[in-house]
Amino acid sequence: KAGVTQTPRYLIKTRGQQVTLSCSPISGHRSVSWYQQTPGQGLQFLFEYFSETQRNKGNFPGRFSGRQFSNSRSEMNVSTLELGDSALYLCASSASGSRSYEQYFGPGTRLTVT
Amino acid sequence: AQSVSQHNHHVILSEAASLELGCNYSYGGTVNLFWYVQYPGQHLQLLLKYFSGDPLVKGIKGFEAEFIKSKFSFNLRKPSVQWSDTAEYFCAATGGATNKLIFGTGTLLAVQP
Repeated sequence: KAGVTQTPRYLIKTRGQQVTLSCSPISGHRSVSWYQQTPGQGLQFLFEYFSETQRNKGNFPGRFSGRQFSNSRSEMNVSTLELGDSALYLCASSASGSRSYEQYFGPGTRLTVT
Repeated sequence: AQSVSQHNHHVILSEAASLELGCNYSYGGTVNLFWYVQYPGQHLQLLLKYFSGDPLVKGIKGFEAEFIKSKFSFNLRKPSVQWSDTAEYFCAATGGATNKLIFGTGTLLAVQP
């Protein structure tokens, strides 16, 4: 089975711009979660989507949003970028249904905001 | 509040030494526990998981972890480390039916040949 794929792998943006990141889960996985990884804050949960609905949300400002499509692919969007948004953004998929399952991570998108 | 803590931030071992990385959690209700590893330049990989049942779980590459409910701990162990185990190790937890992973701050392991 192919793993979780994320595009693009690297991005450089300017403050104030917006960015969209994409994630394709493992085939058959219906849950997609997003995480932000930074040296200072570590790995932090952004949100989870299941069957096109946001099921959980972390403590991030409204500038961070996401969505999931009917084929389970997911996108996250960050508007009005700030320098502090520079991070590795990780997507994880799982076969979640009525209970928690293990999550499998993609390689991440490295976002640099200048 | 839900939290996961890892007390060892940086560990240096020689090859063949035994490894134990500490992980404590604070969760109300059902907890699911995980150890992930991030090798240099690679993505996070699941080492092992605990949902219920036998508190001693075995994972890939010879790693194991023991869930001790009374101590709120889920320590990672390996009897004999190799240079290729050099990586960052993350303990993580979810509660109940949620997939919201709460991560510890990670432990950077350096194994010297």
